[in-house]
Amino acid sequence: RKEVEQDPGPFNVPEGATVAFNCTYSNSASQSFFWYRQDCRKEPKLLMSVYSSGNEDGRFTAQLNRASQYISLLIRDSKLSDSATYLCVVNMGFTNAGKSTFGDGTTLTVKP
Amino acid sequence: EAGVTQFPSHSVIEKGQTVTLRCDPISGHDNLYWYRRVMGKEIKFLLHFVKESKQDESGMPNNRFLAERTGGTYSTLKVQPAELEDSGVYFCASSQDIRLEEQYFGPGTRLTVT
Repeated sequence: RKEVEQDPGPFNVPEGATVAFNCTYSNSASQSFFWYRQDCRKEPKLLMSVYSSGNEDGRFTAQLNRASQYISLLIRDSKLSDSATYLCVVNMGFTNAGKSTFGDGTTLTVKP
Repeated sequence: EAGVTQFPSHSVIEKGQTVTLRCDPISGHDNLYWYRRVMGKEIKFLLHFVKESKQDESGMPNNRFLAERTGGTYSTLKVQPAELEDSGVYFCASSQDIRLEEQYFGPGTRLTVT
């Protein structure tokens, strides 16, 4: 079993749709959680950090459920520019803080 | 502020040759990381420097890979001799504070071993 598992995708949605991505992680000692966005042939860029209390940034909402070891990302009112691969990233935090573990990524295509 | 830079952007070499990848982190970032994505797989951690010291090199695949960060500034990752399975995109990332913080990624070096 992979340490970080994401919805396999791809997701193809029309503009304006709401789409949700799910991610689970296996190591209960994980400390910090992120969603990164990666455009084709580009580097990953941080989209959002994920907190237990949940956090929202415009059309994007991230949730963390530590008990279920589950992370989600919700995108509302999808735009064409949201088309990208979304990476769920888990970090061990203080004890092994440098080592980030990535999911395979979920590809989103927003169509007109 | 300049971001993380990597050189070269692409490299095509033959099996058995040597390649050296370079990463320049964001100025002032003590933490430097190397990652690799091989085709069809997820991005995987290779190693982590804190300044010039290797904090964690548990992800290095074998002894054909050698990473250095002399002086605690830029880092190099040498593959010698290269094998076909080494092909992929090598990303470097840096961060200022190790604690729970975002890592800033470079554009990556696409390595093709033929």
